[in-house]
Amino acid sequence: KAGVTQTPRYLIKTRGQQVTLSCSPISGHRSVSWYQQTPGQGLQFLFEYFSETQRNKGNFPGRFSGRQFSNSRSEMNVSTLELGDSALYLCASSLGQYDGYTFGSGTRLTVV
Amino acid sequence: AQKVTQAQTEISVVEKEDVTLDCVYETRDTTYYLFWYKQPPSGELVFLIRRNSFDEQNEISGRYSWNFQKSTSSFNFTITASQVVDSAVYFCALDLDSNYQLIWGAGTKLIIKP
Repeated sequence: KAGVTQTPRYLIKTRGQQVTLSCSPISGHRSVSWYQQTPGQGLQFLFEYFSETQRNKGNFPGRFSGRQFSNSRSEMNVSTLELGDSALYLCASSLGQYDGYTFGSGTRLTVV
Repeated sequence: AQKVTQAQTEISVVEKEDVTLDCVYETRDTTYYLFWYKQPPSGELVFLIRRNSFDEQNEISGRYSWNFQKSTSSFNFTITASQVVDSAVYFCALDLDSNYQLIWGAGTKLIIKP
């Protein structure tokens, strides 16, 4: 079966712009979560959605937002990009907390 | 507060050696889940194992084994007869019940030399 699909794989944006990243979960998975990975801060939780509802949010500024659609696909948006937003953004989907999390290949965002 | 510590930043061994990656976690919750993931250079996080707090049985899967000890809050990972393909960054993570987020260790970079 198809895995978690993240698009695009690579992205270069300019400071001040905004960006939208997409994540398509494994078929049947209703939970989608997002993580940011940087060399300095490691892996940090952004938010988690289940059936279009945000159940948990990490400690990130309001510039970071997300949503989930009725087909479980999710998007995250970062507005007013800063150089420090350069990172690998990873999406994970899950059948349920008892099932574990399957990750996509990530979107590597570079802000210049 | 919840925390995961992977004290070994980098480990380098010669192929066929056994290697153990350490993971120590902190939580006051009684129900939680522990994970190990592998991240090869491609960047994708590959799931290795999930353990819940009520199951302290050690597990073996081929050359991989895991030792979960609640008494020392540790969940260590051993690779037996390491291979070059095992080279990657390995992450330990903690998930609290109904929290829906993984709390990550800093990762251990494992280098297996031929």
